[in-house]
Amino acid sequence: AQTVTQSQPEMSVQEAETVTLSCTYDTSESDYYLFWYKQPPSRQMILVIRQEAYKQQNATENRFSVNFQKAAKSFSLKISDSQLGDAAMYFCAYRSAVLPTGANSKLTFGKGITLSVRP
Amino acid sequence: ETGVTQTPRHLVMGMTNKKSLKCEQHLGHNAMYWYKQSAKKPLELMFVYNFKEQTENNSVPSRFSPECPNSSHLFLHLHTLQPEDSALYLCASSQEVWGSTDTQYFGPGTRLTVL
Repeated sequence: AQTVTQSQPEMSVQEAETVTLSCTYDTSESDYYLFWYKQPPSRQMILVIRQEAYKQQNATENRFSVNFQKAAKSFSLKISDSQLGDAAMYFCAYRSAVLPTGANSKLTFGKGITLSVRP
Repeated sequence: ETGVTQTPRHLVMGMTNKKSLKCEQHLGHNAMYWYKQSAKKPLELMFVYNFKEQTENNSVPSRFSPECPNSSHLFLHLHTLQPEDSALYLCASSQEVWGSTDTQYFGPGTRLTVL
């Protein structure tokens, strides 16, 4: 079974600075997807970024980028030029890309990390 | 915001009550999901529906009963719940269960408290 670990329960960053959120995962599969989701205090979970394991290039979305280290099974999220609106809980998630009999859509989530942004 | 709405946003119920949670997606998606989010625990997938057919039941107790009358609506019927069932219940949808358009979009959740 796959597991996702977010070992830091909380982090804080100064506005306009850069912060990196860590995530590690464990899997025996070679093909999979990784996600970072953001859950602001309003609770609506929003997809931040998605990475396909077969792609060597790290995904980027504006101020958000990932450092995907497949051999180390590490998938960290870097937020540049942090803004007050970035304060939220961030979840790392894994999904297999191996299609067994029937569709396997299960997302495996980490426990999340609460990010606060200091003005 | 994201096209997935949930009602009610808050629900308090006794252990003998019967209530239902509703989810509606306006994104034209074919797959819908129920998740449970408890404090200090990772999100747990409960059910998956694809084209109105249940494709996954993640060992959920029978006191939770899902219903998907069409691809846009998903219900979670609750009866004889336990206090440990208190949690945030999130609904999500995706274009397809598998493939390049399988990114899940979440609703705001229903905060359930069981007394």
